[in-house]
Amino acid sequence: AQSVTQPDIHITVSEGASLELRCNYSYGATPYLFWYVQSPGQGLQLLLKYFSGDTLVQGIKGFEAEFKRSQSSFNLRKPSVHWSDAAEYFCAVLFRGSTLGRLYFGRGTQLTVWP
Amino acid sequence: KAGVTQTPRYLIKTRGQQVTLSCSPISGHRSVSWYQQTPGQGLQFLFEYFSETQRNKGNFPGRFSGRQFSNSRSEMNVSTLELGDSALYLCASSLRGTSQETQYFGPGTRLLVL
Repeated sequence: AQSVTQPDIHITVSEGASLELRCNYSYGATPYLFWYVQSPGQGLQLLLKYFSGDTLVQGIKGFEAEFKRSQSSFNLRKPSVHWSDAAEYFCAVLFRGSTLGRLYFGRGTQLTVWP
Repeated sequence: KAGVTQTPRYLIKTRGQQVTLSCSPISGHRSVSWYQQTPGQGLQFLFEYFSETQRNKGNFPGRFSGRQFSNSRSEMNVSTLELGDSALYLCASSLRGTSQETQYFGPGTRLLVL
């Protein structure tokens, strides 16, 4: 069955520290991969996406993610976290060949940033 | 270009009532998808519309329905509301809803069922 796993429900980091949020998927082929961020009371904002090509993708707000086919992972990273990065982060996938616009989401990782 | 808009932003209903939520996609986008977000179940796909046709439906009871108009605006309806329908309802739009496209989300409608 197709699934997306974010193993960390909650992560706390100090401002200025580096960050890595994990995402793994289960599927027979490489899907299209996305990271979204949701601030309290808000909708989802796209941080970055991977369709093909270079496995290290750059996004907005200084985020990057690396696709590793061998590990079925698409981890999100930021070298230095800012207090404004506190939010909930969702990994999502769209499975190739689908024309039906259905995103599968992980359960999210809540990020807390200490000053 | 304006983003995805959803109305109303907040809604309070009582059990047994019905509710209609509205979503206006980004101009030129013809695919609209709806998602339900709850603390217990996370983000779950409800349905997707393209050119006024429902192309895909998630695993929700028939009380959840939707439609899309010729201008691509979409509405979803929930009849006979239950307490468990309390959630943030998000809609997303994309050009054609294919797997190579990014979906852009609106701010959501927060529904509280009492």
